[in-house]
Amino acid sequence: NAGVMQNPRHLVRRRGQEARLRCSPMKGHSHVYWYRQLPEEGLKFMVYLQKENIIDESGMPKERFSAEFPKEGPSILRIQQVVRGDSAAYFCASSPAIQGVTRGYTFGSGTRLTVV
Amino acid sequence: SQQGEEDPQALSIQEGENATMNCSYKTSINNLQWYRQNSGRGLVHLILIRSNEREKHSGRLRVTLDTSKKSSSLLITASRAADTASYFCATDARETSGSRLTFGEGTQLTVNP
Repeated sequence: NAGVMQNPRHLVRRRGQEARLRCSPMKGHSHVYWYRQLPEEGLKFMVYLQKENIIDESGMPKERFSAEFPKEGPSILRIQQVVRGDSAAYFCASSPAIQGVTRGYTFGSGTRLTVV
Repeated sequence: SQQGEEDPQALSIQEGENATMNCSYKTSINNLQWYRQNSGRGLVHLILIRSNEREKHSGRLRVTLDTSKKSSSLLITASRAADTASYFCATDARETSGSRLTFGEGTQLTVNP
């Protein structure tokens, strides 16, 4: 049973390009969460999605960032017109339901985005 | 304001010693979780303690929770070099139950062989 799969592991983009980060949740999980981690810091919540729905995007920057979790396929975090400040590690977590009360979350290994 | 602030920021001990990390938070919670992160890797869930629990054990880990002080501690007993990692506490707040975790800045633990 594969865990949460994220790809690519490393992504280098020039300023102004688009970055697409993919997350395949664990089998049977329908809830996906995206977090961002700046160097030497903790994770910051970005967005919470269920299949075909954005439930909570209060942590997403207002511009350039978007996320989706289609009926089929992985969840995508998209960053348009990247800037150097977008350089960070982006982590995805999944769960079968809202289970923050009962158990922890399963995280992927992350995508490390470097903007040059 | 930042929830889930850990201290110390960095801790260096010898193999076999115990390591204690503390976490403070600011709002009412459903539970508090501890995660471990090896350098350049993802987070691994260690232990979850509910708001109505005061202490929990898992192997060499012992977690305490004091909701009156809004604080938690993680104790790793008989540490090993392989325990070297960053440790984060994360809170599941009542007002956003299940939709997100709020992480602290982490404690970097180094266990010297």
